Amino acid sequence: SQTIHQWPATLVQPVGSPLSLECTVEGTSNPNLYWYRQAAGRGLQLLFYSVGIGQISSEVPQNLSASRPQDRQFILSSKKLLLSDSGFYLCAWSVRGGNSPLHFGNGTRLTVT
Amino acid sequence: AQRVTQPEKLLSVFKGAPVELKCNYSYSGSPELFWYVQYSRQRLQLLLRHISRESIKGFTADLNKGETSFHLKKPFAQEEDSAMYYCALPNRDDKIIFGKGTRLHILP
Repeated sequence: SQTIHQWPATLVQPVGSPLSLECTVEGTSNPNLYWYRQAAGRGLQLLFYSVGIGQISSEVPQNLSASRPQDRQFILSSKKLLLSDSGFYLCAWSVRGGNSPLHFGNGTRLTVT
Repeated sequence: AQRVTQPEKLLSVFKGAPVELKCNYSYSGSPELFWYVQYSRQRLQLLLRHISRESIKGFTADLNKGETSFHLKKPFAQEEDSAMYYCALPNRDDKIIFGKGTRLHILP
């Protein structure tokens, strides 16, 4: 069966420090991978999605970047965190094509101080 | 442009009363719509999709192309239905757009 792992669960980082959140998927190949940010009253905002290794689409201009170094690995990064980067980040995967549903990780609560 | 609108941030319903969570969409073509749910301290998960035409946990949702709606309904609310509900719409590039969500609060 397929599983998705996202870590860490919580993270407190000072302003200006770097960020690396990791997400891995097991039990499937060639998945679509997604990073969302969930904020109260603003719903789920799509940040990045990827249909293959090295293929990243950015949905909103921001201080964050994403990379997909391996088929089932998706990394969310920042060189210098801002206070506004605080939030709840969700990784998800889906089967490529055919309007398949998303499968979410447990999320990472990031607090920038 | 592709868009999903959930007009209610919070919906409070008494236990045993009917529930309707509203979702309207904007999409050129034949949409495939989903409802996702997030219970307290659990991960966001798929509740149902319109193409399945099935009832999950007593919930149903019918796609109304004329009204561009995909409202989620349940005839009799239960306390365990309290959760955050999101309506979602994928586009041709496999990007999945979510509404802002509705928090459903079931009153005893």
